[in-house]
Amino acid sequence: GAVVSQHPSRVICKSGTSVKIECRSLDFQATTMFWYRQFPKKSLMLMATSNEGSKATYEQGVEKDKFLINHASLTLSTLTVTSAHPEDSSFYICSARDLRDTTNEKLFFGSGTQLSVL
Amino acid sequence: RKEVEQDPGPFNVPEGATVAFNCTYSNSASQSFFWYRQDCRKEPKLLMSVYSSGNEDGRFTAQLNRASQYISLLIRDSKLSDSATYLCVVNKGGSYIPTFGRGTSLIVHP
Repeated sequence: GAVVSQHPSRVICKSGTSVKIECRSLDFQATTMFWYRQFPKKSLMLMATSNEGSKATYEQGVEKDKFLINHASLTLSTLTVTSAHPEDSSFYICSARDLRDTTNEKLFFGSGTQLSVL
Repeated sequence: RKEVEQDPGPFNVPEGATVAFNCTYSNSASQSFFWYRQDCRKEPKLLMSVYSSGNEDGRFTAQLNRASQYISLLIRDSKLSDSATYLCVVNKGGSYIPTFGRGTSLIVHP
């Protein structure tokens, strides 16, 4: 089945540093990828929709200058948390749709990145 | 009102029990519906899609009620391995952007 590789799986960093998370579709092409964050015992909250070759669409309340998204190819999207602070500590997870899926239904998830900012 | 609402639980049931979860959605134009399973600190995994006519996959049955805007998941003969969080996912009408409920926690005990 389709696989989405996300790394790193865990990051511990100092406050003020930037962290890049990669999400790669291994055996399919994805024009659209979604980035979510999840706090403990909470729902996955959509942060942004990443579109290959164009600007990402951010959800209300998500700072686009804080969470930089790049989707430069059909198989790779990156999320960079700039100047991370402790309140950015969370579980970040990406998902992708196969370009060939005309029903737009099936989502394939990365394994998630646990970010801890000290 | 939240777009997708679920009772967070936890639902604590013995092995062999039958348990049901509901999920309500606010956008009447929503087009497609799913149940995902998520284990702690892992990625969600698709459990089943939910079709208008209802569908069954082994011990799991999903149903959609468009008039009342809810979907349900029924698990029969619960196993210890069914312990997880069950996420309701609704695709926004027209845009296919998936919206997740906060999940319902299920704990199956011996």
